[in-house]
Amino acid sequence: GQNIDQPTEMTATEGAIVQINCTYQTSGFNGLFWYQQHAGEAPTFLSYNVLDGLEEKGRFSSFLSRSKGYSYLLLKELQMKDSASYLCAVPPYSSASKIIFGSGTRLSIRP
Amino acid sequence: DSGVTQTPKHLITATGQRVTLRCSPRSGDLSVYWYQQSLDQGLQFLIQYYNGEERAKGNILERFSAQQFPDLHSELNLSSLELGDSALYFCASSVGRDRAGNEQFFGPGTRLTVL
Repeated sequence: GQNIDQPTEMTATEGAIVQINCTYQTSGFNGLFWYQQHAGEAPTFLSYNVLDGLEEKGRFSSFLSRSKGYSYLLLKELQMKDSASYLCAVPPYSSASKIIFGSGTRLSIRP
Repeated sequence: DSGVTQTPKHLITATGQRVTLRCSPRSGDLSVYWYQQSLDQGLQFLIQYYNGEERAKGNILERFSAQQFPDLHSELNLSSLELGDSALYFCASSVGRDRAGNEQFFGPGTRLTVL
């Protein structure tokens, strides 16, 4: 079966750096997504990793280790607007599998 | 604006009733996905259509059904509604069938309240 684990909540300080972890267990693998979702709004795409390593995109970076079934999202120079839920998701890897989302990590930024 | 539209934005109805949620994907996207998000919960994948055909099924109840029409818009039908069906329902679209890990673009959602 497929399973994704993320911490439920995290708190960080404005201007700081925070790392949000995601571990997954799947029979196959076709990459991993990170989405941001503000309360009551639609999720928006942040990143997609299919190869091992770190991909940087402005203040946000995403890391993947396929051998460890592990990814993290790194947010730098935190701003108040970064307060949101961060969802990792694993897309289907075969015609019989389906996309699954983690339950999300709610990040609160304090001044 | 993701380019995905959903109607209505809000829907209030009573238990036992039936409702239809509508979604228009981004221009050029062939896949449509439906998700349910209850209060403070993660996204639960319900069903995916690709170019008019059902591609994948998630945790969709038998009381729920969906279809994708030739113009690629999709409808999610929820019947015999229960209080627990109250949730945000999101539609998303992507270019491909999802095997290549295509990014999904989400609509603004329909907030369903069952009283």
